[in-house]
Amino acid sequence: DVKVTQSSRYLVKRTGEKVFLECVQDMDHENMFWYRQDPGLGLRLIYFSYDVKMKEKGDIPEGYSVSREKKERFSLILESASTNQTSMYLCASSHSSSGNTIYFGEGSWLTVV
Amino acid sequence: GENVEQHPSTLSVQEGDSAVIKCTYSDSASNYFPWYKQELGKRPQLIIDIRSNVGEKKDQRIAVTLNKTAKHFSLHITETQPEDSAVYFCAASSKNTGNQFYFGTGTSLTVIP
Repeated sequence: DVKVTQSSRYLVKRTGEKVFLECVQDMDHENMFWYRQDPGLGLRLIYFSYDVKMKEKGDIPEGYSVSREKKERFSLILESASTNQTSMYLCASSHSSSGNTIYFGEGSWLTVV
Repeated sequence: GENVEQHPSTLSVQEGDSAVIKCTYSDSASNYFPWYKQELGKRPQLIIDIRSNVGEKKDQRIAVTLNKTAKHFSLHITETQPEDSAVYFCAASSKNTGNQFYFGTGTSLTVIP
């Protein structure tokens, strides 16, 4: 079974703090994604990466950055957390070939106070 | 880029009845259409998918249909059970967009016992 692991399930951070969300996958997937999930808005893509050290902006990259130093690990960084970044963050991965399933991690619930 | 619209946003059915969720997409190059089920507090999980060279696919009580000409696809759940209650997301993916996945905004299905 594919395993996508998000190290932090629940976090509470203060406004202005730097936040790291880590994601690791064990299936040698080329593609990795970070989504944000909010009620009524579905899953919105923040950033994705199709290879080590490569990154592409998604639909809502403002206020976020990412890092992919190793194939299995994709990190989401909030340089200066704000209350409007309180949300559920989902990491996902897939093979690079067309028509391959995307697998999700368990999610990280971030509250910024 | 791709735009995926999903309807309805909420759906309530009596146990044993059928449920239908519809999605439309805008990019004619999209060729892979997965459906995900997300139970409360859990990760989205793939329940069925369809590729553009197929018009219909069935797996026990779940079926998906695809109309490429009209650019819409639908999820059909028959003989619904309380454990089918969840949020369902449709998605579309295309090699043209780097195999990004574009998600609908979700349908909250409630099956009333």
